[in-house]
Amino acid sequence: GQNIDQPTEMTATEGAIVQINCTYQTSGFNGLFWYQQHAGEAPTFLSYNVLDGLEEKGRFSSFLSRSKGYSYLLLKELQMKDSASYLCAASNFGNEKLTFGTGTRLTIIP
Amino acid sequence: EAQVTQNPRYLITVTGKKLTVTCSQNMNHEYMSWYRQDPGLGLRQIYYSMNVEVTDKGDVPEGYKVSRKEKRNFPLILESPSPNQTSLYFCASSTGQGGTEAFFGQGTRLTVV
Repeated sequence: GQNIDQPTEMTATEGAIVQINCTYQTSGFNGLFWYQQHAGEAPTFLSYNVLDGLEEKGRFSSFLSRSKGYSYLLLKELQMKDSASYLCAASNFGNEKLTFGTGTRLTIIP
Repeated sequence: EAQVTQNPRYLITVTGKKLTVTCSQNMNHEYMSWYRQDPGLGLRQIYYSMNVEVTDKGDVPEGYKVSRKEKRNFPLILESPSPNQTSLYFCASSTGQGGTEAFFGQGTRLTVV
């Protein structure tokens, strides 16, 4: 099985940088997804890491360390619209099963 | 437009009255799944399907049924709903190849009274 941990809530200031951490304990781990979910809406894909290291995509970057069971999502130049929940999800090798963390609710303040 | 469509978006029903939530995708995806989302518990997988006529239990399958007779459709059936099935439900689909993103439907908010 999989156990995913991430902080419940975070607050950050508009224009700043925030890092959301995720740790996982897994069997058959394949890769790590990050999704964004605005309140009452569907999750939308942000990033996927399968190799160790940093993947950069515009204002968002995601990092994975397989040996430490650790990932983070880095958001730069924060905007008010970035207020949302950020979901960390681990995928299993050999199938498409995703196990989600409980999500981190990020609030951006002016 | 590539999308996953769920219906209905909102549903209030009474205990024991059978209901079906439909899910359809137009991306020819092989893998489809159902999740429920509850405060403090995150998204939990109910059932998944890796292809037509191939379904399997996820983490919280009790009280639910699914079928996959066609590639595009993956309905979720509650034979005898109970109040503890009040939740926000999401259908998702993906290609079935490792590392590809899952596309989610807009969600169905179900209340069982």
